[in-house]
Amino acid sequence: GQNIDQPTEMTATEGAIVQINCTYQTSGFNGLFWYQQHAGEAPTFLSYNVLDGLEEKGRFSSFLSRSKGYSYLLLKELQMKDSASYLCAVIDSNYQLIWGAGTKLIIKP
Amino acid sequence: IAGITQAPTSQILAAGRRMTLRCTQDMRHNAMYWYRQDLGLGLRLIHYSNTAGTTGKGEVPDGYSVSRANTDDFPLTLASAVPSQTSVYFCASSDRTGNTGELFFGEGSRLTVL
Repeated sequence: GQNIDQPTEMTATEGAIVQINCTYQTSGFNGLFWYQQHAGEAPTFLSYNVLDGLEEKGRFSSFLSRSKGYSYLLLKELQMKDSASYLCAVIDSNYQLIWGAGTKLIIKP
Repeated sequence: IAGITQAPTSQILAAGRRMTLRCTQDMRHNAMYWYRQDLGLGLRLIHYSNTAGTTGKGEVPDGYSVSRANTDDFPLTLASAVPSQTSVYFCASSDRTGNTGELFFGEGSRLTVL
């Protein structure tokens, strides 16, 4: 079966750096998304990786290794507003989008 | 404000009743999707539409139907609601089919079936 693994919950301190990992086992690969979802709100797009390497966008960066079936989202200079769930999703060989259950990130002052 | 609108925001429904969740977008996106989100699970696709006039089944289509009469509207109907359909429902759209584009989500419809 197809599977996306993310930690259920992480805690970090305001101003620090946190890395949220995502590993996937899917039938093929055509891209990987990260979305942010604040409690009670809709998911919003953060990043898209299709090639190996690091994509940087402000305080957020996303890394992909296709050979390892692995991605991470790196959040720098954490702010209280970064408290949210972070969803990893993979496009498989049939162009179906497979979603992880999400990682709830708690930021403490 | 351009975007995607869902209604109702929240609804409590008796089992066996029929319910339609409305979804409208003004971005002229061809692809539209209905997902359900349950605690501890990833988003699960119910139905999708790649363009007006066509629809397809997702991962969990049983008990749900959709229609796509035009580009903007994509309603989801529960013909006879059951408690297992208690969930948060998200409508989404994209300017690309095949899940290769960014998804724009509505604010969600929280449905409770008693």
